[in-house]
Amino acid sequence: AQKVTQAQTEISVVEKEDVTLDCVYETRDTTYYLFWYKQPPSGELVFLIRRNSFDEQNEISGRYSWNFQKSTSSFNFTITASQVVDSAVYFCALSEGSNTGKLIFGQGTTLQVKP
Amino acid sequence: DAGVIQSPRHEVTEMGQEVTLRCKPISGHDYLFWYRQTMMRGLELLIYFNNNVPIDDSGMPEDRFSAKMPNASFSTLKIQPSEPRDSAVYFCASSLQGVETQYFGPGTRLLVL
Repeated sequence: AQKVTQAQTEISVVEKEDVTLDCVYETRDTTYYLFWYKQPPSGELVFLIRRNSFDEQNEISGRYSWNFQKSTSSFNFTITASQVVDSAVYFCALSEGSNTGKLIFGQGTTLQVKP
Repeated sequence: DAGVIQSPRHEVTEMGQEVTLRCKPISGHDYLFWYRQTMMRGLELLIYFNNNVPIDDSGMPEDRFSAKMPNASFSTLKIQPSEPRDSAVYFCASSLQGVETQYFGPGTRLLVL
């Protein structure tokens, strides 16, 4: 069965520190999709990235970067030079199968960035 | 462009009452999803629709929950009768295709007393 594990329940850093949020997944599918969402204190879920299983290139978007490693079934998320506005809960998610819309979410990592 | 719209944003009701949550997906999106978020269970998919047809409702907790999508621009999630354990944040999301990115609405925070 598909599963997403975010082992870090809470992380606290000081502003300008780099921080990496871990995500490990389990799936038997050869084609699948991985996602990261951000949930700020206001409560909405904000899409950050979508990656398919055939694209193992790392991605960078501003201060955000993602490292996808199929060999270790991991899709980690790094924030460089963290800011207070990055404080949120971050969810990693896995699509169930290549053709359905069902997302399996991890339990989330709460990131607190202190000034 | 408008995102996914949900109403009401907050709902407080008493046990036994009927609750109806509403969702308007992004125009042109063929898939619509209903999720529930609680501290204990995290984010869990309740049901999803493709072209207004329910595809998978295996996440619906029990018969007290029902969902409909009468047209491409409107869906409802109904709880009848409501119970305190239904208290949660209910999210609606939509996507172009099944495996495309799901965009979430702001959620409805439900409290059943």
